[in-house]
Amino acid sequence: KAGVTQTPRYLIKTRGQQVTLSCSPISGHRSVSWYQQTPGQGLQFLFEYFSETQRNKGNFPGRFSGRQFSNSRSEMNVSTLELGDSALYLCASSYQTSLFYSGANVLTFGAGSRLTVL
Amino acid sequence: GQNIDQPTEMTATEGAIVQINCTYQTSGFNGLFWYQQHAGEAPTFLSYNVLDGLEEKGRFSSFLSRSKGYSYLLLKELQMKDSASYLCAIKVGNQGGKLIFGQGTELSVKP
Repeated sequence: KAGVTQTPRYLIKTRGQQVTLSCSPISGHRSVSWYQQTPGQGLQFLFEYFSETQRNKGNFPGRFSGRQFSNSRSEMNVSTLELGDSALYLCASSYQTSLFYSGANVLTFGAGSRLTVL
Repeated sequence: GQNIDQPTEMTATEGAIVQINCTYQTSGFNGLFWYQQHAGEAPTFLSYNVLDGLEEKGRFSSFLSRSKGYSYLLLKELQMKDSASYLCAIKVGNQGGKLIFGQGTELSVKP
């Protein structure tokens, strides 16, 4: 079965612009999480969506936002880009039967979208 | 808050055994994951521990001690392809897809 698909894979933006990244989860996965990966900070949690609802949010400014559609596909948006937003943005999906799933929800990651802000 | 520590870099020889340690401090601990990430690629799942003890999966094993806030990943019969970053991550409570990751351990396997 197809894995997690992220588009675009690479993009270059300038400061002040905005960007939208897309993620298509594995078929049947209702949870989509977003992470930012940088050499200095490692993998940091941005937010998670389950059945079109944001259930968790990390410690990022309001410039970072996301949404999930009825088909579980998700998008994240970063507005007013800053140089420090340059990073690899990873999307991960997992199978959960309910909003309060307590099992070992293994995250399957996409290849990521590498954003460079100039 | 949560804190996860793992060594930044390790080097080992092909065919040898290497142990990558991970210590953590958190409340609401609900499981520990190990992921492998090759340069330029997505992290891939290796193992999950929620109870104390050793989980073995082929050449890879993972151990957890909840009372000590300690885990390790053991790689046996190292191969060149095992050169990668190994990420320790903890799940807190029932927070679904939210994992707290360590900085990762960059493992270099030399011939």
